[in-house]
Amino acid sequence: QKEVEQDPGPLSVPEGAIVSLNCTYSNSAFQYFMWYRQYSRKGPELLMYTYSSGNKEDGRFTAQVDKSSKYISLFIRDSQPSDSATYLCAMTGSGAGSYQLTFGKGTKLSVIP
Amino acid sequence: DAGVTQSPTHLIKTRGQHVTLRCSPISGHKSVSWYQQVLGQGPQFIFQYYEKEERGRGNFPDRFSARQFPNYSSELNVNALLLGDSALYLCASSLDRMAQYFGPGTRLLVL
Repeated sequence: QKEVEQDPGPLSVPEGAIVSLNCTYSNSAFQYFMWYRQYSRKGPELLMYTYSSGNKEDGRFTAQVDKSSKYISLFIRDSQPSDSATYLCAMTGSGAGSYQLTFGKGTKLSVIP
Repeated sequence: DAGVTQSPTHLIKTRGQHVTLRCSPISGHKSVSWYQQVLGQGPQFIFQYYEKEERGRGNFPDRFSARQFPNYSSELNVNALLLGDSALYLCASSLDRMAQYFGPGTRLLVL
């Protein structure tokens, strides 16, 4: 079993739709959770990061963490064609160790005008 | 402020050769991490350096090595290149473990 599972899609939605992207994880040592957006042939761009369970909102984006279920989500409201990209979840533990991020495979999203 | 910069952007090598990739972190960031991303996969952790010391190493062979310089820039070296080393190599810099910022990557093709 992989440490982080993410449905690779592809996911295709009409412009204006609400998008839900999800990851599950198995390692209870993961305490910090991030979402990255990656356009084709570019480096990942940090969208949001969170530590605690619950919701965190930033503009059209909402990150949700449920540590009891080992499940994280990213919601995109009023999706735009410019949101078309691959979305990667990433996570890391706390403590004195390295900042190593463990990523999901990424979900490829297409927003159709 | 400039983001993370990486050089070169693209590189073509043949099997058995050696390659050096370079990364300059965001000003003020003391941590640099390296990742390998093959097509269709998420990035895989290779190394992390903090204040010029190795903090972590991923599951990669000894052909991979890295170092961090006094100005916090970093080099990733790969010896005896294999076809399977073809990938996008990403550098990330950070102040802490949460907000890690990636550069544009170096795309390596091994023929």
